[in-house]
Amino acid sequence: AQSVTQPDIHITVSEGASLELRCNYSYGATPYLFWYVQSPGQGLQLLLKYFSGDTLVQGIKGFEAEFKRSQSSFNLRKPSVHWSDAAEYFCAVGAGSSGSARQLTFGSGTQLTVLP
Amino acid sequence: GAGVSQTPSNKVTEKGKYVELRCDPISGHTALYWYRQSLGQGPEFLIYFQGTGAADDSGLPNDRFFAVRPEGSVSTLKIQRTERGDSAVYLCASSLLGQRQETQYFGPGTRLLVL
Repeated sequence: AQSVTQPDIHITVSEGASLELRCNYSYGATPYLFWYVQSPGQGLQLLLKYFSGDTLVQGIKGFEAEFKRSQSSFNLRKPSVHWSDAAEYFCAVGAGSSGSARQLTFGSGTQLTVLP
Repeated sequence: GAGVSQTPSNKVTEKGKYVELRCDPISGHTALYWYRQSLGQGPEFLIYFQGTGAADDSGLPNDRFFAVRPEGSVSTLKIQRTERGDSAVYLCASSLLGQRQETQYFGPGTRLLVL
């Protein structure tokens, strides 16, 4: 069975600073990987996804993530954080085949606080 | 177009009662998923539909939980004899089967509180 670890429960950064949120996964085959963001009272919004190919993927809102198979990691980065980025971030791995990812397993999330 | 919608947005019930939670997927999406998110946790998979049939219900915690999707569109998650431990946010997602890099799109969730 697959699993996802997000080691940082809470991260605080200053507006304009760079950000890296860590995600480690465990899965026996090639993983399908996702980052979602959740604002208070909102559903999950997809930031970016990795299925295959280029290991550096670009997403919305200036986010990017890099898949590193050797480290079983899929860390999320942003060069300059905006106050509106304050939210909870979830990494997820999908189990599936043929380019699909049916059953998603999520990490426990990282809460991001942005200081003015 | 419209996203995934869920009703009600909040539901308060008493222990032992029956509840139904509704999900309207994105129009044309053939797959539908239910997840449960407890406080301070990530969502946990419950069940997944392809069309009208449940393709994977391995995440349902026990037989008090049941879900249907009779016409392959709207789905209802049903919880019998609710317990306080059922309190959580129930999230629904939909996707288009067969789409390259198939992606799940989530609704805002139903917050269930069992007193």
